[in-house]
Amino acid sequence: EPEVTQTPSHQVTQMGQEVILRCVPISNHLYFYWYRQILGQKVEFLVSFYNNEISEKSEIFDDQFSVERPDGSNFTLKIRSTKLEDSAMYFCASSEALNTEAFFGQGTRLTVV
Amino acid sequence: DAKTTQPPSMDCAEGRAANLPCNHSTISGNEYVYWYRQIHSQGPQYIIHGLKNNETNEMASLIITEDRKSSTLILPHATLRDTAVYYCIVFKAAGNKLTFGGGTRVLVKP
Repeated sequence: EPEVTQTPSHQVTQMGQEVILRCVPISNHLYFYWYRQILGQKVEFLVSFYNNEISEKSEIFDDQFSVERPDGSNFTLKIRSTKLEDSAMYFCASSEALNTEAFFGQGTRLTVV
Repeated sequence: DAKTTQPPSMDCAEGRAANLPCNHSTISGNEYVYWYRQIHSQGPQYIIHGLKNNETNEMASLIITEDRKSSTLILPHATLRDTAVYYCIVFKAAGNKLTFGGGTRVLVKP
């Protein structure tokens, strides 16, 4: 069964450092998403991406965040200067079309120290 | 997106059906009801979705009331591996983001 894969599974970084989280969406999917979940809290939407541009973003997704599809298979989330409060599980998801089910990866646990 | 209300937790006996309710009284005509679950800290897993009609797949059944103001997710034979947080989400037809609430924490007991 096709799945969304995320790497690394756990990333530890120092405050102020840049970090890139990587995702390989399901191959025939056209819509890509990032969500995050701070420990003990709800899953929160960050950004959606379609046709090489951001289609929607939340208030959390400020200038410190960026997304990119550098090639035909990867989808990345970059945090330019990490803060302690960026520590969370980051989930990538993809869907075949608008308003079809999204499939999530297993997440990257980001710890900012 | 319409708001949903779910009980915070429920227990279920292994092998029995688990019926998970969800209220979405402000749902509008172009909004779907989606169900996801999250096992421990894993990524959310899609279960099922529907618009007006009842739906069934290999994982679960979804019963939507005629007025669409509430729905019930049914896990026909709960197993210990079904222990998870279950999220009922109302999703706009033209939207592309999921808004997760607190969900229902389901504990399947032997």
